[in-house]
Amino acid sequence: DVVMTQSPLSLPVTLGQPASISCRSSQSLVYIDGNTYLNWFQQRPGQSPRRLIYKVSNRDSGVPDRFSGSGSGTDFTLKISRVEAEDVGVYYCMQGTHWPGTFGQGTKLEIK
Amino acid sequence: EVQLVESGGGLVQPGGSLRLSCAASGFTFRSYWMSWVRQAPGKGLEWVANIKQDGSEKYYVDSVKGRFTISRDNAKNSLYLQMNSLRAEDTAVYYCARMDSRAPVGWGQGTLVTVSS
Repeated sequence: DVVMTQSPLSLPVTLGQPASISCRSSQSLVYIDGNTYLNWFQQRPGQSPRRLIYKVSNRDSGVPDRFSGSGSGTDFTLKISRVEAEDVGVYYCMQGTHWPGTFGQGTKLEIK
Repeated sequence: EVQLVESGGGLVQPGGSLRLSCAASGFTFRSYWMSWVRQAPGKGLEWVANIKQDGSEKYYVDSVKGRFTISRDNAKNSLYLQMNSLRAEDTAVYYCARMDSRAPVGWGQGTLVTVSS
């Protein structure tokens, strides 16, 4: 299976400051259709996960534009331009290119 | 609005069986791949299985192959997960999710499965 490795695993951030999470896959995530099925999920405390970003850089409906995704091949990044209190939670990258899909270990974002 | 409601979780002894159900509404269920994802207490997410719209294709994570079976009933807008030979490491919250762009979205609230003697 494809291994997804996130860093850092813990991310203390000051309100209003930017944050960045890295995700690396053990093999290329380019699918036979030419798309790269790399997703980012947010799980707030006590809630189910929700997807923020799909196919590397596309925001899901209702996701604030302070969230952005980038990357290619095996290296990907989630950026939050200005962290707000509601962003506290755990963030997971997930690849859907090679089934079964696999998730990263999760990055816990907290407010300093 | 997409709504997914899981049920069927509970306490089961090692080696036992359990069948999870997921009732879907708010979208055309028969048009989507569906999946089960689980989360052990305090741990990360693990994709368990997914199933094609007509049930003709199914994929499983290695750790559940031969023990779990995913199925669906499009007439009832329902997704199922039959879990046999349960182990302590299967203890988790099990989420039902619709697939979109090869990823689980629109997750339910989950149902807790505890495997313990």
